[in-house]
Amino acid sequence: NAGVTQTPKFRILKIGQSMTLQCTQDMNHNYMYWYRQDPGMGLKLIYYSVGAGITDKGEVPNGYNVSRSTTEDFPLRLELAAPSQTSVYFCASSYPWQGARETQYFGPGTRLLVL
Amino acid sequence: GENVEQHPSTLSVQEGDSAVIKCTYSDSASNYFPWYKQELGKRPQLIIDIRSNVGEKKDQRIAVTLNKTAKHFSLHITETQPEDSAVYFCAASWPFGNEKLTFGTGTRLTIIP
Repeated sequence: NAGVTQTPKFRILKIGQSMTLQCTQDMNHNYMYWYRQDPGMGLKLIYYSVGAGITDKGEVPNGYNVSRSTTEDFPLRLELAAPSQTSVYFCASSYPWQGARETQYFGPGTRLLVL
Repeated sequence: GENVEQHPSTLSVQEGDSAVIKCTYSDSASNYFPWYKQELGKRPQLIIDIRSNVGEKKDQRIAVTLNKTAKHFSLHITETQPEDSAVYFCAASWPFGNEKLTFGTGTRLTIIP
């Protein structure tokens, strides 16, 4: 299994541009998450999904959108990029069955710089 | 929502000594407390976790303790080694079935050879 993969690894955006961060997992996990990590800080939840077709907001959803059309993919869309969105973005997924449901496995991250 | 505080923000210990990182949480209904290790430029990786029905859990040199009454939990690393140098994050699971984690702000642990 590749686990959780993310593309791109690094991207520079100009203010006002848009982009989609890709996240794919091959572990058949129902739950998927997007976090951002600002320098020297912890992880903040942007959006999450408990299954295909179901998404919900986390702590810091403003400026972002998500969709979940398949179990495997959970793309994060940035519209009208702003310097405040400069961060490292991590996608994560977790097991579908009770008992180990909360264990989250992270992707390698996407480093985004908005200038 | 849940709020997780983590201390200290930085910690330096001599190789071979023990390290302790502490976290407090606000929501008494939280029931799952994982610890993640993040090396420089890498993804967070789960190193140990504990559920609210257990007071202590150990895995080789790493242990976690939970005090539900005081709403705090701690990570203990014994016989520290240079490869333990990293940033450690605690988290608490926001209850009610939506599996959301609230993370602490992290502790940068440096092991001095």
